[in-house]
Amino acid sequence: NAGVTQTPKFRVLKTGQSMTLLCAQDMNHEYMYWYRQDPGMGLRLIHYSVGEGTTAKGEVPDGYNVSRLKKQNFLLGLESAAPSQTSVYFCASSSNRVRDYGYTFGSGTRLTVV
Amino acid sequence: GENVEQHPSTLSVQEGDSAVIKCTYSDSASNYFPWYKQELGKRPQLIIDIRSNVGEKKDQRIAVTLNKTAKHFSLHITETQPEDSAVYFCAATLWGSNQFYFGTGTSLTVIP
Repeated sequence: NAGVTQTPKFRVLKTGQSMTLLCAQDMNHEYMYWYRQDPGMGLRLIHYSVGEGTTAKGEVPDGYNVSRLKKQNFLLGLESAAPSQTSVYFCASSSNRVRDYGYTFGSGTRLTVV
Repeated sequence: GENVEQHPSTLSVQEGDSAVIKCTYSDSASNYFPWYKQELGKRPQLIIDIRSNVGEKKDQRIAVTLNKTAKHFSLHITETQPEDSAVYFCAATLWGSNQFYFGTGTSLTVIP
């Protein structure tokens, strides 16, 4: 039982490049989330999904797209990376009985856009 | 939407002393309040949570209190140890909602 796994762990992009971050969970959780963490700003929700085939915007969705084609996977895409997207990205998942268990976070992806 | 404020942003205590971190929330409908600990370079991990039907919850050296009337909740760590050094995040959410609203974090340093 690996929990929530994020890949890659580190990445450096040039402005304008694209990339996809992968989040995989093996806990059969319904809900999945992508957050970004910036100094002094805590965790801000980018997009989330309440089930396979569904996605919704969070607090800071601009510049990102997501897909949830399989229940266990939640992909975050950057189509044209900008320096403002330099951040640490965390994926999280939760049961549809979320109030019992809270979030389980992945280990994070440190992205630098130069 | 919900707005969660967390204070202080940094906190230094001597080993063995107590540490208190406070959060306020704006939406009186919020009824679940988890706390996460994030060690340097690691993922946030749930350490304790409280629901709105109780005023206090304890787990060994950590406790959380909730004042629904004033809309604030606090994390209390007693007999602090160097391994308590980390960033702590509070969050608030409404039962049945899909989104947690996080505070901006408190960096706690326990000085040996």
